[in-house]
Amino acid sequence: AQSVSQHNHHVILSEAASLELGCNYSYGGTVNLFWYVQYPGQHLQLLLKYFSGDPLVKGIKGFEAEFIKSKFSFNLRKPSVQWSDTAEYFCAVIAFDNTDKLIFGTGTRLQVFP
Amino acid sequence: DAGVTQSPTHLIKTRGQQVTLRCSPKSGHDTVSWYQQALGQGPQFIFQYYEEEERQRGNFPDRFSGHQFPNYSSELNVNALLLGDSALYLCASSLDSPGEQFFGPGTRLTVL
Repeated sequence: AQSVSQHNHHVILSEAASLELGCNYSYGGTVNLFWYVQYPGQHLQLLLKYFSGDPLVKGIKGFEAEFIKSKFSFNLRKPSVQWSDTAEYFCAVIAFDNTDKLIFGTGTRLQVFP
Repeated sequence: DAGVTQSPTHLIKTRGQQVTLRCSPKSGHDTVSWYQQALGQGPQFIFQYYEEEERQRGNFPDRFSGHQFPNYSSELNVNALLLGDSALYLCASSLDSPGEQFFGPGTRLTVL
C-alpha cells in the first residue's frame, strides 16, 4: 500500500531562518504530489503541487518543493520563514493506480518565533 | 465563488448514535471526497463520490456510508458511533481525476 512519511514532526525556527521539511512516499509508479498547509483555526489550503514537468515547483507565499524521483522525495523549502508561517504542513500523494485517494503524511508542526 | 462548505461546524454525540454530515462542493466541481483527521494525524481517506456513486473507498468499516445528490452535494453517515470516531471530518471537492482537491473547514465530531 502507498504511504507518505514526514520525518519532522515538530520544527521550531526563528524568523528569517531557512526551512526544509522532508517528505518521502512509497509507490513505484506515476504520482501527483502536493503540499497542504493548515493555519491555526483554518482549513487545509494547497501550497503547491507537482503533476509533471519541471521538478522544482513554486507555490504560494515563497514556498517551493523539489521532486526527486530517484529518492521518492518531495521536500518543501522556504529560504526565510516568517512568524505567519506557523502552521501544520502536510505532504500528500495521489498514485496513478486507478484510485483517487489522496494519501497524507502525518504532518509537520512548524512554529516560528519572532 | 463559494468554496467547499460543510455543516455542522461542531457536533457532540454519544456512543451508539448515528450522525450525518453535509458537504457542498466548490462551484463547478463534480467529485466529492471525505476524510477523517484524528488529533495529531494527517487526514485519512474514507471514500469518494462521483456521479452519485461511490467510486473509491478507504479502509473504513461499513458503518461509514455516504451519498451524493444530483447537485453534487454529499452526505457522510456514521452509524453506531464509537469513541474512536471522534475526529475532524473533512470534505474535499475536485473537478478532474486525479487532480487538485479543495478542502472545506471540516466538522468536528465528538463522541462521548
